[in-house]
Amino acid sequence: DAGVIQSPRHEVTEMGQEVTLRCKPISGHDYLFWYRQTMMRGLELLIYFNNNVPIDDSGMPEDRFSAKMPNASFSTLKIQPSEPRDSAVYFCASSFGGQGATPLHFGNGTRLTVT
Amino acid sequence: SQQGEEDPQALSIQEGENATMNCSYKTSINNLQWYRQNSGRGLVHLILIRSNEREKHSGRLRVTLDTSKKSSSLLITASRAADTASYFCATGAGGTSYGKLTFGQGTILTVHP
Repeated sequence: DAGVIQSPRHEVTEMGQEVTLRCKPISGHDYLFWYRQTMMRGLELLIYFNNNVPIDDSGMPEDRFSAKMPNASFSTLKIQPSEPRDSAVYFCASSFGGQGATPLHFGNGTRLTVT
Repeated sequence: SQQGEEDPQALSIQEGENATMNCSYKTSINNLQWYRQNSGRGLVHLILIRSNEREKHSGRLRVTLDTSKKSSSLLITASRAADTASYFCATGAGGTSYGKLTFGQGTILTVHP
C-alpha cells in the first residue's frame, strides 16, 4: 500500500492566487481528514469526510477555503484567494472507521508558502 | 483550543536513557492516541489506548492513561538516536464529537548518540 498521497509537496504562490491541494487516501478507508499545521497553532482539523460526505467543516477558517471529495479515492482543498497567513503545512489523513477509535494515516503534507 | 497539552515542550537525552512525555486533557474521552512526527514528514501512529484501559505496551513504548486525572504518559525505553522526533498526543471523544481527534502541541524529543 502506497499510503496517503498528497500533491504537491511544496507550493509557493503569490497572495491572491488560487491554490489547490490534492489527496489520495488509502484504498478502503472511509474517513478523510484535512489538517493544517503551524508553529503558532499546532495541528488543526479543518474538515473531515465520511464516505465522501463532509461531516464537520467547523475548522475551515473562512469562506476562502473549500474542500471536496468527488469520489472515494480523491479529495481537494482549495484556497481562493490565498493570503500570506495561509502559509502552513497541510496534511491529509485517512482512516477506516471514525478517527475517534482508529488510527489516522497521514500523508507527508503540502508545504504552502504564500508571498 | 487544543485538547491535549504535552509536557515537556522539549526533551533532550542521551542514547540509552528513557524518555517520558506527558499529556493532559480537559474533557472526557473515549480513547487517546500517540503519534510521532519526523522532520518534514507526516504523523505516524504509535499506539492507541481506550478510556477503559490503564496501560498498553508496544515494543519499547509504554503508555499509561489516568482518566481521573485526565492525563497520559508515553515512555520510550532505551532510546535511540532514531527516536528523535516530535511526539503528539491526540484525544478522541464520543457522542456528537465522535469524529473529532484533537492534537496537542507536541513534545520535541532529541536523542543524542
